[in-house]
Amino acid sequence: DAGVTQSPTHLIKTRGQQVTLRCSPKSGHDTVSWYQQALGQGPQFIFQYYEEEERQRGNFPDRFSGHQFPNYSSELNVNALLLGDSALYLCASSDSGLAGGPSYNEQFFGPGTRLTVL
Amino acid sequence: AQSVTQLGSHVSVSEGALVLLRCNYSSSVPPYLFWYVQYPNQGLQLLLKYTSAATLVKGINGFEAEFKKSETSFHLTKPSAHMSDAAEYFCAVSDQGGKLIFGQGTELSVKP
Repeated sequence: DAGVTQSPTHLIKTRGQQVTLRCSPKSGHDTVSWYQQALGQGPQFIFQYYEEEERQRGNFPDRFSGHQFPNYSSELNVNALLLGDSALYLCASSDSGLAGGPSYNEQFFGPGTRLTVL
Repeated sequence: AQSVTQLGSHVSVSEGALVLLRCNYSSSVPPYLFWYVQYPNQGLQLLLKYTSAATLVKGINGFEAEFKKSETSFHLTKPSAHMSDAAEYFCAVSDQGGKLIFGQGTELSVKP
């Protein structure tokens, strides 16, 4: 059973460019969350997708957008890249059908995509 | 608003010594609390979670944490450190929608 997978592993972009990161959730999971982890910091929540809709959003500008597909995979898009967008981007998946609700259930994390903006 | 504070950005212990990583939370509702571990160049792995069933929570790799409401704490401990425990540890609280709010992390070093 494959866990959460992310692609690409590493990415180098220049300021002003656009980037798309991809995530495939763990088998059986239908909810995908994205986090940004700057160097030496804890992950910061970007947004969460469920049933192809953005269900929650963190304090990130509109340059950050996402999408969830019918097979539950997800993309994170960042436009007009800034130097400060350099970070490890983590995708996490969970199962909304488990008892206890979303706050109770474990989120499984992928290995992340390391984005460097020059 | 919910928040998490991890005291000590770096902790160093000798192999075989007690590991204690500190976490304090702020939450207006009964919290769901988590400890995650991150090895270099990897994602996060869940060590344990508190969901109000029991105040002492046992996790993987010999780790455990105790929820103390009066102290708003959820410290992580392990009786005897191994070299393989060297990693970054994150405490997190979950809001009702499932968003995880992480602390700044504590890097654990284990000396031989």
